[in-house]
Amino acid sequence: VQLRESGPGLVKPSQTLSLTCSVSGDSITSGGYWWGWIRQFPGKGLEWMGYIYFNGDTYYNPSLKSRLIVSRNTSKNEVSLQLDAVTAADTAVYYCARALSGSYSGLFDSWGQGTLVTVSS
Amino acid sequence: EIVLTQSPATLSLSPGETATLSCRASQSISNLLIWYRHKPGQAPRLLIYDASNRATDIPARFSGSGSGTDFTLTISSLEPEDFAVYYCQQRAGWPLTFGGGSRLEIK
Repeated sequence: VQLRESGPGLVKPSQTLSLTCSVSGDSITSGGYWWGWIRQFPGKGLEWMGYIYFNGDTYYNPSLKSRLIVSRNTSKNEVSLQLDAVTAADTAVYYCARALSGSYSGLFDSWGQGTLVTVSS
Repeated sequence: EIVLTQSPATLSLSPGETATLSCRASQSISNLLIWYRHKPGQAPRLLIYDASNRATDIPARFSGSGSGTDFTLTISSLEPEDFAVYYCQQRAGWPLTFGGGSRLEIK
């Protein structure tokens, strides 16, 4: 499986950050996997943001739940991220990743290379 | 939220030596601890899952141990491609959390 993130590299404060993850080599509607987003801050810390299951169920980090939507386009085999009301603190490299489910829930076995998003006016 | 603390922040070693990296959890996570290797500009790679199980195609020089709150990643006979940043992650509780990373650099 390959995952490739895309989207604007610069977003203004208070605006919405939108990213897309294009998935190849696997279907996002095939059973057994979650598809989601992880970000890495400039200080190198990683934060799990949220993900979407093959059946459309979603799960979010409570710290972001009020601002974050993870969705999918099954016809394009894409997963999307929408983060509202961004601030400079949302500047990070955003990674798309696939996670196992069931007994291995929370285990990320494939990642994209990431895309840098800077929040600045 | 479960906090993971990694040490050391930076480790300087030479190829052929053995690296020992630590990850400590703020509460017991049983064996639900994962290790990743991350090279700049590349996708992070799964190395070890559930404390001690090597992922597919990961060589035997990588080994993991520990349970409860204290975990160790050992890399023997360091090769040039091993010099990178290593992260631990727990999947015992929500939200999923990561350690701050340990940088393994060439001495």
